[in-house]
Amino acid sequence: AQTVTQSQPEMSVQEAETVTLSCTYDTSESDYYLFWYKQPPSRQMILVIRQEAYKQQNATENRFSVNFQKAAKSFSLKISDSQLGDAAMYFCAYMVDDKIIFGKGTRLHILP
Amino acid sequence: EPEVTQTPSHQVTQMGQEVILRCVPISNHLYFYWYRQILGQKVEFLVSFYNNEISEKSEIFDDQFSVERPDGSNFTLKIRSTKLEDSAMYFCASSAEAPSWGQMYEQYFGPGTRLTVT
Repeated sequence: AQTVTQSQPEMSVQEAETVTLSCTYDTSESDYYLFWYKQPPSRQMILVIRQEAYKQQNATENRFSVNFQKAAKSFSLKISDSQLGDAAMYFCAYMVDDKIIFGKGTRLHILP
Repeated sequence: EPEVTQTPSHQVTQMGQEVILRCVPISNHLYFYWYRQILGQKVEFLVSFYNNEISEKSEIFDDQFSVERPDGSNFTLKIRSTKLEDSAMYFCASSAEAPSWGQMYEQYFGPGTRLTVT
């Protein structure tokens, strides 16, 4: 079964500090995509960063970067220089074929 | 920048009533999706739609659900006889293509419709 596991229901980080959100997934596929989505209180789903499984290089998007370990099926998100606007629910997600499977999310609090 | 829109933003309906949720995908997109998020839970795939047909559906998408692209712009989700447990946020998404080897086409999500069944 294809599953995505986020083991941290909630996390807090001091403003300007760095935080890492963890994610593991289970799949037998070799070709797939991984994402991190941000869901602020408005509940809109905003794509933060994506990673193609066939690429070894970790994706980076400004202050957001991932640590993709394909053999371990691990896909963590690092947020550097945390800002108050980063406070949200973060979902790790996996896409194969045209279906996205989401984890249960990690609620990130930013402490001023 | 083009975006997916959804109406209404919030719909309240009584149990047993039919409800139609509307989405306008990005204009040149060919693949359409519905997802559901029950409050406090994860987002779940419901159905994908291409070329006027359902491509894939989840176990959640039973006979009470249907999708339609009634014209060139709208994509709708109908729930025939709503239940209390249908209360959720419903997200529409669209992509230009379906992913294939070496190519990924991002799914763009709409802002969601919050459905409350009383």
